[in-house]
Amino acid sequence: DAGVIQSPRHEVTEMGQEVTLRCKPISGHNSLFWYRQTMMRGLELLIYFNNNVPIDDSGMPEDRFSAKMPNASFSTLKIQPSEPRDSAVYFCASSSPLEQYFGPGTRLTVT
Amino acid sequence: AQSVTQPDIHITVSEGASLELRCNYSYGATPYLFWYVQSPGQGLQLLLKYFSGDTLVQGIKGFEAEFKRSQSSFNLRKPSVHWSDAAEYFCAVGTNAGKSTFGDGTTLTVKP
Repeated sequence: DAGVIQSPRHEVTEMGQEVTLRCKPISGHNSLFWYRQTMMRGLELLIYFNNNVPIDDSGMPEDRFSAKMPNASFSTLKIQPSEPRDSAVYFCASSSPLEQYFGPGTRLTVT
Repeated sequence: AQSVTQPDIHITVSEGASLELRCNYSYGATPYLFWYVQSPGQGLQLLLKYFSGDTLVQGIKGFEAEFKRSQSSFNLRKPSVHWSDAAEYFCAVGTNAGKSTFGDGTTLTVKP
């Protein structure tokens, strides 16, 4: 298995632009998680899905953030409009069902 | 709600020395416990896990951890550290829904 796949690996965008991060979980995993990691705040859970249904989105910072999981093999995290404070590494993870497997992350820089 | 405390933000050990990273958890039910390692620029990689049974669990890269229910601890150990072990280590407690709560991490520096 290729593991959790995230794209793009790096994204640089200007403030106000829309950003879409993509994740392909490990086949057969039924839970998917989006995290954000910064030096100041550490690793934060943004949202997680179980069987493609959002279960807990209490970590989503504000309405500019949205996440979807249209099927078992794909999820997106969208930021619109982006702001410099959104600069971070965003990780996607899937679980099997208890232990989580992380993707390599997307490093987002908003200028 | 569950929580995890990693008391040591940063630890420095000499190559070849033994290592112990501390982790304390709070959870009302039987915990599922994990240790992850994150190398610079990488995602988190699962080192080992405890679900039930033997309280001493073995993981990859020569690491082990011991679950002590009376102390609510799940400390990570390695008898002899290698320079390649320098990384950040995260302890986590999970629920049967698959959601995990992570500690703030401990950064390990290895001196030559």
